[in-house]
Formats: sequence, structure tokens, C-alpha cells
Amino acid sequence: DGGITQSPKYLFRKEGQNVTLSCEQNLNHDAMYWYRQDPGQGLRLIYYSQIVNDFQKGDIAEGYSVSREKKESFPLTVTSAQKNPTAFYLCASSIVRREPVDNEQFFGPGTRLTVL
Amino acid sequence: AQSVTQLGSHVSVSEGALVLLRCNYSSSVPPYLFWYVQYPNQGLQLLLKYTTGATLVKGINGFEAEFKKSETSFHLTKPSAHMSDAAEYFCAVTLFGGTSYGKLTFGQGTILTVHP
Repeated sequence: DGGITQSPKYLFRKEGQNVTLSCEQNLNHDAMYWYRQDPGQGLRLIYYSQIVNDFQKGDIAEGYSVSREKKESFPLTVTSAQKNPTAFYLCASSIVRREPVDNEQFFGPGTRLTVL
Repeated sequence: AQSVTQLGSHVSVSEGALVLLRCNYSSSVPPYLFWYVQYPNQGLQLLLKYTTGATLVKGINGFEAEFKKSETSFHLTKPSAHMSDAAEYFCAVTLFGGTSYGKLTFGQGTILTVHP
């Protein structure tokens, strides 16, 4: 079955440590996205990538880093510079076309990160 | 730039009653609008989307939404609520073209509670 996988489901980290969240998709989508979700704030875009080896900052990129070395993979690193990293992180992917009809984003199941 | 406002962070209905979740958008150009549903500790699933054409859009699980340009609204409705509809619902907007291409802006979410 095609889809998006995120691992781990739950992640605990000590303050001052970097941690990497995994996101893999087998939908053959060009674009991938990382969102942060906090209660009552909806989803906020951290980084996105529309092609391999290229990515752009979203609205809240500070304290995060990404890479896009392969089409199917878009890992997110939460660095020690992120002041409040405890949140639910969602990865998504979509095709890239100049017509929005099929620009639906497909979401992974999410990773809940807790900083101890 | 585009933005989305969901009126009411919590909505409570009785089973069998009408569900109405409100979404208003702000956009300088014609928008493309989406409703997503999220069950606890899961990713988002697309309910329905409006791009062009018919302004009344039907989605999964008996939900529908109507795009009203004059009111800048895209409210989500369902004639008869079911217990399984209890979840959080997100309205989202994207623009066609420009630097915002493909990027979704989400509302803050509405938690729907269904009482027996």
C-alpha cells in the first residue's frame, strides 16, 4: 500500500539534545512538508521541499533543519536551539503541478516529541 | 497572503443533529479550499476540497461544504451527526501560483464532540 510513514510514534528527548524525526513516502510525490501542531494553533509549516536537494523555510523554521537527499525521504532534525520543541510533528507529501486539483497533501501518522 | 479563521474552537452536538463548522478565509486571489479531519494522535485525512466549478462540494462520510465568494466562507456541514464524527476538523487554503504555490495555510481547528 502506498503511504507515508513516520517514526518513531513517540519520542522523548533531554534538553540540549538534537533529535531526528523520520518521514518516508512511497507515493512518488515530488513535494514533502513538515508541520508542527500545538493545541489550539492548528498546523504551522516548518520546512518544505518540492524537489530533491532543495528545500525552503516555512513559517517557523528556527531551531529546525532538514535534508532531501532522496525523493522518498525528508528527515527533520529538531536542534537544541529550538526553545520549545515539545509538540506533535506531521509530515505530508503531494504531487507538484501547476493545477491545484490534485495538490491535495497526504499526511503521515505523526510523531509526538516530548522534551524532558 | 492568505489566512483562515475557524469560528469556534469547540462545537458540541447531539447524535442525529446537524453539524455546522464555520470557516472564513482571506485571500487577494481566488482560493482553493480544503477540509481535513484528524482523529486523536493521528494524521490528517482529506474530507473534501474546492478548486473550481460547482460551489457545493461533497466529501466523504456524508460531509459537504459550500464555497460562498461573497461571504468569503467555506462552512462544513453534515445533516445528521454520528458518534464516529467526533474529531478535530481543519479548514485550509492555498493559492494558485506565485510563491505560495502548493503551500497550505490552516485554520486553528474545531473540535467536534458528539453526545449520545
